[in-house]
Formats: sequence, C-alpha cells, structure tokens
Amino acid sequence: IAGITQAPTSQILAAGRRMTLRCTQDMRHNAMYWYRQDLGLGLRLIHYSNTAGTTGKGEVPDGYSVSRANTDDFPLTLASAVPSQTSVYFCASSRTTGPNEKLFFGSGTQLSVL
Amino acid sequence: KQEVTQIPAALSVPEGENLVLNCSFTDSAIYNLQWFRQDPGKGLTSLLLIQSSQREQTSGRLNASLDKSSGRSTLYIAASQPGDSATYLCAVRPHRDDKIIFGKGTRLHILP
Repeated sequence: IAGITQAPTSQILAAGRRMTLRCTQDMRHNAMYWYRQDLGLGLRLIHYSNTAGTTGKGEVPDGYSVSRANTDDFPLTLASAVPSQTSVYFCASSRTTGPNEKLFFGSGTQLSVL
Repeated sequence: KQEVTQIPAALSVPEGENLVLNCSFTDSAIYNLQWFRQDPGKGLTSLLLIQSSQREQTSGRLNASLDKSSGRSTLYIAASQPGDSATYLCAVRPHRDDKIIFGKGTRLHILP
C-alpha cells in the first residue's frame, strides 16, 4: 500500500544521544514535512522540504536537522537529544507545494528522552 | 499571527445523532481549510479540503462548511456511529508564510 513509512515506531533515548528518525514515502511527492505533536500544544512544524535538495525551517527547528538527498527520504536528526524533545513525531508529504494540495501523514514515532 | 481554535476540546454524543464540530481562525487570508481525523496512536487522515472560493465540501456522511469572512468552519457528521470516535483537527493554509496551521482538535466519543 502506497504511503509514508516512519521508523522506529517508538524509541526511548538517553539525553545527549544522537538519534535519526526515518521517513520514506513511495508516492513521488515533492514536498515533505516533519511535525511534532504535544499535548496542549497541537501539531507544530519542525522542518520542511519543498523538493529534493532543498530544506527549510518551520516553527520549532532548534535542536533538529534534516536532509533531502532524494525524493523519497526525509530523515530528521536530533544531534544531542534533550528531555523537551520527548514528543510524537509525524512525517507528512504533499504532491506539490501548491496551495490546495492535501497532506498525507505517517503513523508517527513516539520518542521519549530521559 | 494566524490562530486556529477548536471548541470544545472533547465531546460525547449518543450513537445515531447528528453532530457539529467547530473550528475558528483569526485571519481570513487563507488558501484553504482542511479537516483531519486522527485515531489514537495513528497519524492524521485528510477528510475534506475546502478551497477559499468554496463554501462547502461533502464526503459520505461528512459535510464541511467554510465562512471565510467570519473565520469559521463546521464539520457536520450525520447519523454518528461508534467508528466515528476519534480526534478531529482542522487546519488552515494562510497566504502569509504559506505553512499549514493546525487547531488542537476535538476528541469525539460516540456512545453505543
């Protein structure tokens, strides 16, 4: 089934460790996004990529980095995890960056930083 | 700054009833408004997208309306079923910044 695959599903991580959350889509979508979802704060955009080879900062980019080497993959890296990065992380994509494109979401990664 | 509000945060309704979920936004300069469904432990699924030039969209038992001038949208669910239990989020795509802004959602529980 076509869609977005995120890995791992969940992870417990010691503070200070480096972690990469993986996201792969097989829909050949140009645009991809990383969100975090926190109780009481809703969904917030971390980073985005309008097309392969380009990335941009969202609302809460500090402590995170991304790369977009090809169309399908959009990994999110926490260089040195901190407890405030405990959250559910969602990868999303859209066919283009056109204003009326629907967003498609992965199933999320539950990350706990201790 | 665009803000999206959904009230109430939670709602319980007996099975079979029709119901309305509300969404409000502060800046009417938007490209579109989307309604999403999120099941526990899952990602979001897009239900309906209403472009700024449209007044409503329908899909099965769901009908979403948009009143841009008043900054309001409603999601109408007809003949509710236990399987409709989920969190429903609305999101707008503003002209400024062009990045989608989400409400915090309404958690809906349909009572069998």
